[in-house]
Amino acid sequence: GENVEQHPSTLSVQEGDSAVIKCTYSDSASNYFPWYKQELGKGPQLIIDIRSNVGEKKDQRIAVTLNKTAKHFSLHITETQPEDSAVYFCAASIGAGKSTFGDGTTLTVKP
Amino acid sequence: DVKVTQSSRYLVKRTGEKVFLECVQDMDHENMFWYRQDPGLGLRLIYFSYDVKMKEKGDIPEGYSVSREKKERFSLILESASTNQTSMYLCASSPRTGVFTEAFFGQGTRLTVV
Repeated sequence: GENVEQHPSTLSVQEGDSAVIKCTYSDSASNYFPWYKQELGKGPQLIIDIRSNVGEKKDQRIAVTLNKTAKHFSLHITETQPEDSAVYFCAASIGAGKSTFGDGTTLTVKP
Repeated sequence: DVKVTQSSRYLVKRTGEKVFLECVQDMDHENMFWYRQDPGLGLRLIYFSYDVKMKEKGDIPEGYSVSREKKERFSLILESASTNQTSMYLCASSPRTGVFTEAFFGQGTRLTVV
């Protein structure tokens, strides 16, 4: 089955700096890569996603890149703010909404 | 907005009890999922369902069963709770509109088995 590795497990940045979280996947059949943000006491919520036929996608301060050949994808957050502090999960999906998740990255943005 | 509601935020149960975790979604989604979340282990899929009365095992089904009698409701059952089932349980749903479908999560149920 699919295996997703996510790094780093914790990340601390100063407000205004950029944050990068990286994931690798094992199954070349995976073709949908969502990123979820989980705030304290809440369930994960989608923040951005990318399909396998796209190399990069951007939404305001958040961007995701995908390298299908190397089987890795990354989340980039620019101009970080304290409200970006949360746990972030990457995931890889082959179909029907069933995803394999990474272990999560706890991002702390220090004011 | 899609709403996925889990019946309890916190539960404390005794070892050996039969435990029911309930999940309801209001967007007529075909797919529903139960995940378990443990620190450092991410989200692990327990069971999922693509339709009423259908269920499929995920990656860690041992010790769990599920029930989907109605499209909007998906129940996770711990037949005989054990302390190693102490965890955060997350329910999710998604539409069956093809491959590229995000999952909508409930707020989670933190279960403690003593």
